[in-house]
Amino acid sequence: SQQGEEDPQALSIQEGENATMNCSYKTSINNLQWYRQNSGRGLVHLILIRSNEREKHSGRLRVTLDTSKKSSSLLITASRAADTASYFCATDYSGTYKYIFGTGTRLKVLA
Amino acid sequence: DAGVTQSPTHLIKTRGQHVTLRCSPISGHKSVSWYQQVLGQGPQFIFQYYEKEERGRGNFPDRFSARQFPNYSSELNVNALLLGDSALYLCASSLGVLTDTQYFGPGTRLTVL
Repeated sequence: SQQGEEDPQALSIQEGENATMNCSYKTSINNLQWYRQNSGRGLVHLILIRSNEREKHSGRLRVTLDTSKKSSSLLITASRAADTASYFCATDYSGTYKYIFGTGTRLKVLA
Repeated sequence: DAGVTQSPTHLIKTRGQHVTLRCSPISGHKSVSWYQQVLGQGPQFIFQYYEKEERGRGNFPDRFSARQFPNYSSELNVNALLLGDSALYLCASSLGVLTDTQYFGPGTRLTVL
C-alpha cells in the first residue's frame, strides 16, 4: 500500500473531551498536513507542519511531529459535535512528487 | 474568492466507457493534483501538474491520463472504465509544487455500472 498508517481507525468521545489521533509514515518528508473530511465530501485543510518543526497550534488543534519516530499526532481539545468527521494525515515524501494520505481516523463526538 | 471547483458533481457510466472530469483551481494557483478516494479509504494520489507539465504520477494504469491548460484548469480522463474505478475523484490546487498547502474541491462521484 502507498498509504501511511493512522490510529485509532475509529474514535468515539463525549463533547468537551479531547481527541488524539496518530499518524505514522515510512520515509523522510518535507512536511506533513492534516485534513478533515465530512461525510465523503471534499477535504478541508487543518494544519501544515514542516519537517524542521516539532509542534504547531491552530485554535483548538495541536499537532506534533517526531521525525525520529516518523510519527505525528493531532490533538483536538474541548471537542464539539461539529468535529465529527474523518481525519487524515498526508505527507510529501522527500525526493518525490507523490503526496501520500493515511488511512484516516473516524471521529465521532457525542453531544 | 472562489475555491476549487469540479464538474460534474456526480456521474454514472457503464463499463468500457470513457469519462472526463474537470477542475478549476483557485485563482493564482499553478498546481493541480488529482486523487481517487474509494469508500472507506484515504485519497490515493493519481497525478500532479504544475505549469502545464506532469510533475508526479501515482500507481495508476495508463487508462488514466490528465492535462493542464494555459489557464491552469485541468482534466482527468479515464478510458475503458472498470467497476473498480467507482470512487470520489478529488482535485486539489496549490500555489506551487506539492510542498505547499493543497486546497481540495468537493469532488466528483463516479459510479461505474
